[in-house]
Amino acid sequence: AAGVIQSPRHLIKEKRETATLKCYPIPRHDTVYWYQQGPGQDPQFLISFYEKMQSDKGSIPDRFSAQQFSDYHSELNMSSLELGDSALYFCASSSRTGGQEKLFFGSGTQLSVL
Amino acid sequence: GENVEQHPSTLSVQEGDSAVIKCTYSDSASNYFPWYKQELGKGPQLIIDIRSNVGEKKDQRIAVTLNKTAKHFSLHITETQPEDSAVYFCAASIQRGAGNMLTFGGGTRLMVKP
Repeated sequence: AAGVIQSPRHLIKEKRETATLKCYPIPRHDTVYWYQQGPGQDPQFLISFYEKMQSDKGSIPDRFSAQQFSDYHSELNMSSLELGDSALYFCASSSRTGGQEKLFFGSGTQLSVL
Repeated sequence: GENVEQHPSTLSVQEGDSAVIKCTYSDSASNYFPWYKQELGKGPQLIIDIRSNVGEKKDQRIAVTLNKTAKHFSLHITETQPEDSAVYFCAASIQRGAGNMLTFGGGTRLMVKP
């Protein structure tokens, strides 16, 4: 079965640079969630989109923005990168149809800020 | 907001033994409780979930129990195998049609010794 695809798998950036992370949800899924996971930490919710509109917002810094496109893929844009932004970034997708939503995660993007 | 606590943080068992991981949540409105298994370098994988209208759910060697009154839920793995070694996360959310932001517990590192 098709899974959530994230790219790139690894990304190395310098401080103050920008980064763009991409997420391709499972086909026919209408909702995308972004999570940040620091080393040894649990995933923290950043932001979500449903049918291309922002749905919920968590602890996402103002330096970050995201959107969901017409083909349902999503991009997380990160500017003015800081050392503390180094983490695993996960995207999850789901379908809200039927009322019993389940989140499926991608393999993540490991971002290292030097 | 929701707060989820998970215990123990590490658990070591002998192959063939059972493993139990416990979580408590704070928001009585939470109605969806998934469990994820995360292997090194991979994204969280949904292994079982339970909704607040049932007290127990089983899938082969894995079972989850929910006590809504006490606001706690547990994961039970029987006949553990070395491939069960991973970090396990519990999570809680309020599924209300408009979103499903998961709040994760701190994780349990399970080690199954051959």
